[in-house]
Amino acid sequence: DSGVTQTPKHLITATGQRVTLRCSPRSGDLSVYWYQQSLDQGLQFLIQYYNGEERAKGNILERFSAQQFPDLHSELNLSSLELGDSALYFCASSPDRTTGELFFGEGSRLTVL
Amino acid sequence: DQQVKQNSPSLSVQEGRISILNCDYTNSMFDYFLWYKKYPAEGPTFLISISSIKDKNEDGRFTVFLNKSAKHLSLHIVPSQPGDSAVYFCAASAMLRGGSEKLVFGKGTKLTVNP
Repeated sequence: DSGVTQTPKHLITATGQRVTLRCSPRSGDLSVYWYQQSLDQGLQFLIQYYNGEERAKGNILERFSAQQFPDLHSELNLSSLELGDSALYFCASSPDRTTGELFFGEGSRLTVL
Repeated sequence: DQQVKQNSPSLSVQEGRISILNCDYTNSMFDYFLWYKKYPAEGPTFLISISSIKDKNEDGRFTVFLNKSAKHLSLHIVPSQPGDSAVYFCAASAMLRGGSEKLVFGKGTKLTVNP
C-alpha cells in the first residue's frame, strides 16, 4: 500500500461526457502528479501540483484540467471525452519538489464508449 | 519525441539467471534515473535509482548501471525470481528553470521469469 488513494477505480462513460478523478496523496506529501497510461504506451506525464500551485505541465489536453485543494487532495477533470481518452490515470505523490521516488496510487481506469 | 526509450517490450528469462533490462535516453539534461516495477492492477512502485554522478548503484539483487557517454542505463536482476515478473519502467528526471522538474517514463519492458 503506497498510501496514495485514487477514486474511482473504474469508470465507464460515454463520449462527450465529463468525469472527475480524485486523488489523496500520502500523508505529508506536498506534490501530486497525474499520469496517463494508454494501451502500449508508457506513463505520460500530465501535470504536477506542489502545495496547491501548478508546478509543471506535460502533455495535458485543453479538455483536461486539474487542481490541488488546501487539504492537498487533487482532482483531474476530463471533459468532452473521446474514445481515445480511455486509459489508466495514475496519481502519484512525493514529499517535496524533488522528483525521484514517487508513490503511485493504483490508478483509475477510464473507459469511454 | 520519446526522450526515454525501452526498446524491448518484453524479456523472458529462467529463474536463477540474470535479467538485464535496458533503457536509452536522449536528453542530456537528465540527471537522475529511476526504475519502477509494476504488477497488474497495481500502481508502479519505486525500485532503485541512480544519480548522474554515479555509474553504479546496487540494492540487493538489483543493480543499475549508468553510461552517461552512451546515454544508456541498465537494470540487472540476479538471480531472477518468478516474483520479479512484472513490467519495469525506466524513468529520467531533470530540474528545469523556475524550480519545476520533469520526470519522463519509458514505455516499459515486461519481464517474465520462468520457474
